[in-house]
Amino acid sequence: NAGVTQTPKFQVLKTGQSMTLQCAQDMNHNSMYWYRQDPGMGLRLIYYSASEGTTDKGEVPNGYNVSRLNKREFSLRLESAAPSQTSVYFCASSVYGGGDEQYFGPGTRLTVT
Amino acid sequence: QKEVEQNSGPLSVPEGAIASLNCTYSDRVSQSFFWYRQYSGKSPELIMSIYSNGDKEDGRFTAQLNKASQYVSLLIRDSQPSDSATYLCAPRGTGRRALTFGSGTRLQVQP
Repeated sequence: NAGVTQTPKFQVLKTGQSMTLQCAQDMNHNSMYWYRQDPGMGLRLIYYSASEGTTDKGEVPNGYNVSRLNKREFSLRLESAAPSQTSVYFCASSVYGGGDEQYFGPGTRLTVT
Repeated sequence: QKEVEQNSGPLSVPEGAIASLNCTYSDRVSQSFFWYRQYSGKSPELIMSIYSNGDKEDGRFTAQLNKASQYVSLLIRDSQPSDSATYLCAPRGTGRRALTFGSGTRLQVQP
């Protein structure tokens, strides 16, 4: 089992460019999450998907969109990147939502110049 | 008041000592509590879960929960340099969509 995988590991974007961060899990989990982590700010929830076919906003959704492609995959899209979106992005999954034990992917380190 | 409060540290302890990490939370109905360890440049890793008042031991780690005081702690016995990391507390609130994470306490174990 690979657990939760994310691609890419690193990315540099120019302001205004778009990109999609990919996440996949092979643990047959129902719920998936996207967080960002900034120094001193802890982990902040961007979007989550309680189950296949559903998505909902978290604490900091502005500037992002998500797609729950199927039970395994949950992608995060930045339509027009801004320097404020420079961060480390983590995908996580859990058997059920609502704060069940979450397992994290290795992260994507994104820099927007 | 923040939902989850942790001292950012760094907490510095000598090798072999007991490290005590503390967390307070504001949601009185939180039922489950998780401790995550995060090494620098890596992702958070779940190391302990506790669901009821009292102590839960797993190897060198002991989680302690006091719901009346809204306080949860993590003790690491016989601390090793490899324990040097940031430890994140995450209570599960009722009706929440996901875990709420504290900002973490950075632990440094000095050889």
